[in-house]
Amino acid sequence: SQTIHQWPATLVQPVGSPLSLECTVEGTSNPNLYWYRQAAGRGLQLLFYSVGIGQISSEVPQNLSASRPQDRQFILSSKKLLLSDSGFYLCAWETGGPGNTIYFGEGSWLTVV
Amino acid sequence: GEDVEQSLFLSVREGDSSVINCTYTDSSSTYLYWYKQEPGAGLQLLTYIFSNMDMKQDQRLTVLLNKKDKHLSLRIADTQTGDSAIYFCAESPGGYQKVTFGIGTKLQVIP
Repeated sequence: SQTIHQWPATLVQPVGSPLSLECTVEGTSNPNLYWYRQAAGRGLQLLFYSVGIGQISSEVPQNLSASRPQDRQFILSSKKLLLSDSGFYLCAWETGGPGNTIYFGEGSWLTVV
Repeated sequence: GEDVEQSLFLSVREGDSSVINCTYTDSSSTYLYWYKQEPGAGLQLLTYIFSNMDMKQDQRLTVLLNKKDKHLSLRIADTQTGDSAIYFCAESPGGYQKVTFGIGTKLQVIP
Protein backbone atom coordinates (compact mmCIF):
# COMPACT_ATOMS: atom_id res chain seq x y z
CA SER A 1 0.00 0.00 0.00
CA GLN A 2 1.03 3.57 -0.55
CA THR A 3 2.17 5.78 2.30
CA ILE A 4 3.33 9.35 2.53
CA HIS A 5 5.65 10.78 5.14
CA GLN A 6 6.59 14.34 5.82
CA TRP A 7 8.86 15.84 8.44
CA PRO A 8 9.45 17.55 10.69
CA ALA A 9 5.98 17.55 12.21
CA THR A 10 6.58 20.77 14.13
CA LEU A 11 9.09 23.52 13.53
CA VAL A 12 9.75 26.87 15.19
CA GLN A 13 12.15 29.02 13.22
CA PRO A 14 13.33 32.63 13.59
CA VAL A 15 12.67 35.18 10.87
CA GLY A 16 15.42 35.10 8.26
CA SER A 17 16.41 31.50 8.90
CA PRO A 18 16.27 28.80 6.21
CA LEU A 19 13.61 26.13 5.89
CA SER A 20 13.57 22.59 4.63
CA LEU A 21 10.50 20.37 4.78
CA GLU A 22 10.80 16.93 3.30
CA CYS A 23 8.19 14.57 1.94
CA THR A 24 8.54 11.03 0.64
CA VAL A 25 6.02 8.66 -0.86
CA GLU A 26 6.27 4.89 -0.75
CA GLY A 27 4.47 2.19 -2.65
CA THR A 28 3.93 4.04 -5.91
CA SER A 29 5.99 5.30 -8.81
CA ASN A 30 5.90 8.55 -10.74
CA PRO A 31 3.29 10.19 -8.55
CA ASN A 32 2.19 13.78 -8.93
CA LEU A 33 3.35 15.59 -5.81
CA TYR A 34 2.00 18.71 -4.16
CA TRP A 35 2.80 21.18 -1.42
CA TYR A 36 -0.15 23.00 0.12
CA ARG A 37 -0.23 25.60 2.87
CA GLN A 38 -3.10 26.07 5.27
CA ALA A 39 -2.84 29.35 7.15
CA ALA A 40 -4.73 29.75 10.41
CA GLY A 41 -8.47 29.95 9.76
CA ARG A 42 -8.05 29.69 6.02
CA GLY A 43 -8.42 27.06 3.36
CA LEU A 44 -5.80 25.23 1.39
CA GLN A 45 -3.47 27.13 -0.88
CA LEU A 46 -1.60 25.18 -3.54
CA LEU A 47 2.04 26.23 -3.49
CA PHE A 48 3.81 23.83 -5.84
CA TYR A 49 3.10 20.72 -7.82
CA SER A 50 5.37 18.35 -9.68
CA VAL A 51 4.61 15.78 -12.36
CA GLY A 52 8.14 14.35 -12.45
CA ILE A 53 11.73 14.60 -11.31
CA GLY A 54 13.01 18.15 -11.66
CA GLN A 55 9.61 19.39 -12.90
CA ILE A 56 8.17 22.00 -10.56
CA SER A 57 5.24 24.33 -11.14
CA SER A 58 4.69 27.26 -8.82
CA GLU A 59 1.19 28.49 -8.19
CA VAL A 60 1.89 31.66 -6.23
CA PRO A 61 4.87 34.01 -6.07
CA GLN A 62 6.62 33.80 -2.75
CA ASN A 63 9.96 33.28 -1.09
CA LEU A 64 9.48 29.52 -0.99
CA SER A 65 10.86 27.03 -3.47
CA ALA A 66 10.40 23.34 -4.12
CA SER A 67 12.59 20.62 -5.53
CA ARG A 68 12.10 17.02 -6.58
CA PRO A 69 15.48 15.35 -6.61
CA GLN A 70 14.03 11.84 -6.75
CA ASP A 71 10.82 10.34 -8.07
CA ARG A 72 9.20 9.99 -4.66
CA GLN A 73 10.84 12.87 -2.81
CA PHE A 74 9.54 16.42 -2.65
CA ILE A 75 11.25 19.18 -0.68
CA LEU A 76 9.94 22.59 0.31
CA SER A 77 12.60 25.19 1.06
CA SER A 78 13.21 28.79 1.86
CA LYS A 79 16.45 30.72 2.16
CA LYS A 80 15.00 33.34 4.51
CA LEU A 81 11.72 32.82 6.31
CA LEU A 82 9.17 35.59 6.82
CA LEU A 83 6.60 35.84 9.59
CA SER A 84 3.91 35.33 6.98
CA ASP A 85 5.33 31.90 6.16
CA SER A 86 3.86 30.52 9.37
CA GLY A 87 1.22 27.90 8.75
CA PHE A 88 0.41 24.24 8.34
CA TYR A 89 2.16 22.70 5.35
CA LEU A 90 0.77 19.62 3.71
CA CYS A 91 2.47 17.35 1.24
CA ALA A 92 0.23 15.29 -0.99
CA TRP A 93 0.40 12.83 -3.86
CA GLU A 94 -1.86 11.43 -6.51
CA THR A 95 -1.45 8.99 -9.35
CA GLY A 96 -3.06 11.13 -11.99
CA GLY A 97 -5.36 8.35 -13.03
CA PRO A 98 -9.16 8.36 -13.02
CA GLY A 99 -10.49 10.06 -9.92
CA ASN A 100 -7.45 12.25 -9.31
CA THR A 101 -7.68 11.33 -5.65
CA ILE A 102 -5.16 13.26 -3.60
CA TYR A 103 -3.70 11.67 -0.48
CA PHE A 104 -2.23 13.88 2.18
CA GLY A 105 0.56 13.56 4.67
CA GLU A 106 0.03 14.43 8.28
CA GLY A 107 1.30 17.97 7.88
CA SER A 108 4.06 20.12 9.32
CA TRP A 109 3.39 23.02 11.65
CA LEU A 110 5.74 25.92 10.98
CA THR A 111 5.86 28.87 13.33
CA VAL A 112 8.14 31.72 12.34
CA VAL A 113 9.05 33.90 15.30
CA GLY B 1 -10.28 30.23 -13.01
CA GLU B 2 -11.87 27.47 -11.03
CA ASP B 3 -13.56 28.34 -7.78
CA VAL B 4 -15.07 26.22 -5.04
CA GLU B 5 -17.18 27.86 -2.35
CA GLN B 6 -18.54 26.56 0.91
CA SER B 7 -19.81 28.06 4.12
CA LEU B 8 -17.31 28.43 6.94
CA PHE B 9 -19.20 27.02 9.86
CA LEU B 10 -21.98 24.58 10.76
CA SER B 11 -23.23 23.62 14.19
CA VAL B 12 -25.50 20.63 14.82
CA ARG B 13 -26.67 18.60 17.79
CA GLU B 14 -25.45 15.08 18.30
CA GLY B 15 -27.79 12.61 16.64
CA ASP B 16 -29.11 15.11 14.10
CA SER B 17 -28.20 15.09 10.42
CA SER B 18 -25.57 17.49 9.09
CA VAL B 19 -25.64 18.89 5.58
CA ILE B 20 -22.55 20.64 4.27
CA ASN B 21 -22.99 22.46 0.99
CA CYS B 22 -20.56 23.40 -1.75
CA THR B 23 -20.78 25.18 -5.09
CA TYR B 24 -18.23 25.12 -7.87
CA THR B 25 -17.78 27.07 -11.06
CA ASP B 26 -15.82 24.81 -13.39
CA SER B 27 -18.26 23.22 -15.80
CA SER B 28 -15.61 20.71 -16.83
CA SER B 29 -15.42 19.29 -13.30
CA THR B 30 -15.43 15.54 -13.61
CA TYR B 31 -14.66 14.44 -10.07
CA LEU B 32 -15.89 15.98 -6.86
CA TYR B 33 -14.53 15.12 -3.45
CA TRP B 34 -15.14 15.49 0.22
CA TYR B 35 -12.19 15.50 2.60
CA LYS B 36 -12.18 15.58 6.40
CA GLN B 37 -9.52 17.28 8.48
CA GLU B 38 -9.38 16.64 12.20
CA PRO B 39 -7.52 19.16 14.40
CA GLY B 40 -3.79 19.21 13.73
CA ALA B 41 -3.93 16.46 11.14
CA GLY B 42 -3.75 16.07 7.39
CA LEU B 43 -6.76 15.69 5.14
CA GLN B 44 -8.49 12.37 4.87
CA LEU B 45 -10.48 11.48 1.78
CA LEU B 46 -14.06 10.67 2.77
CA THR B 47 -15.67 10.04 -0.56
CA TYR B 48 -15.81 11.19 -4.15
CA ILE B 49 -18.38 11.21 -6.89
CA PHE B 50 -18.17 11.26 -10.66
CA SER B 51 -20.03 14.04 -12.41
CA ASN B 52 -22.29 11.55 -14.20
CA MET B 53 -23.74 10.46 -10.86
CA ASP B 54 -26.47 12.19 -8.87
CA MET B 55 -25.95 10.49 -5.57
CA LYS B 56 -23.53 8.28 -3.71
CA GLN B 57 -24.13 6.71 -0.33
CA ASP B 58 -21.56 5.20 1.97
CA GLN B 59 -22.83 4.19 5.41
CA ARG B 60 -23.73 7.45 7.20
CA LEU B 61 -22.51 9.62 4.34
CA THR B 62 -24.65 10.69 1.39
CA VAL B 63 -23.28 12.85 -1.40
CA LEU B 64 -25.74 14.66 -3.66
CA LEU B 65 -24.69 16.32 -6.89
CA ASN B 66 -26.76 18.80 -8.88
CA LYS B 67 -24.64 19.23 -11.96
CA LYS B 68 -26.96 21.79 -13.52
CA ASP B 69 -26.60 24.11 -10.53
CA LYS B 70 -22.98 23.01 -9.83
CA HIS B 71 -23.96 22.19 -6.28
CA LEU B 72 -22.53 19.42 -4.14
CA SER B 73 -23.64 18.44 -0.67
CA LEU B 74 -22.49 16.03 2.01
CA ARG B 75 -25.06 14.69 4.41
CA ILE B 76 -23.92 12.98 7.60
CA ALA B 77 -26.66 10.99 9.27
CA ASP B 78 -26.77 10.56 13.06
CA THR B 79 -23.92 13.03 13.55
CA GLN B 80 -21.51 12.10 16.32
CA THR B 81 -19.03 14.19 18.31
CA GLY B 82 -16.25 12.39 16.42
CA ASP B 83 -17.55 13.98 13.24
CA SER B 84 -16.41 17.40 14.48
CA ALA B 85 -13.81 18.49 11.95
CA ILE B 86 -13.26 20.70 8.94
CA TYR B 87 -14.78 19.35 5.75
CA PHE B 88 -13.30 20.34 2.41
CA CYS B 89 -15.09 20.19 -0.89
CA ALA B 90 -12.85 19.77 -3.95
CA GLU B 91 -13.19 19.36 -7.68
CA SER B 92 -11.04 18.23 -10.58
CA PRO B 93 -11.53 18.06 -14.33
CA GLY B 94 -9.72 14.74 -14.37
CA GLY B 95 -6.52 13.58 -15.99
CA TYR B 96 -3.26 15.12 -14.79
CA GLN B 97 -4.96 18.22 -13.48
CA LYS B 98 -4.64 19.78 -10.09
CA VAL B 99 -7.52 19.59 -7.66
CA THR B 100 -9.19 22.80 -6.48
CA PHE B 101 -10.26 22.92 -2.85
CA GLY B 102 -12.85 24.99 -1.08
CA ILE B 103 -11.97 26.91 2.07
CA GLY B 104 -13.43 24.25 4.33
CA THR B 105 -16.52 24.08 6.54
CA LYS B 106 -15.96 23.66 10.25
CA LEU B 107 -18.54 21.27 11.68
CA GLN B 108 -19.21 21.57 15.38
CA VAL B 109 -21.23 18.79 16.99
CA ILE B 110 -22.91 19.76 20.24
CA PRO B 111 -23.41 16.88 22.72
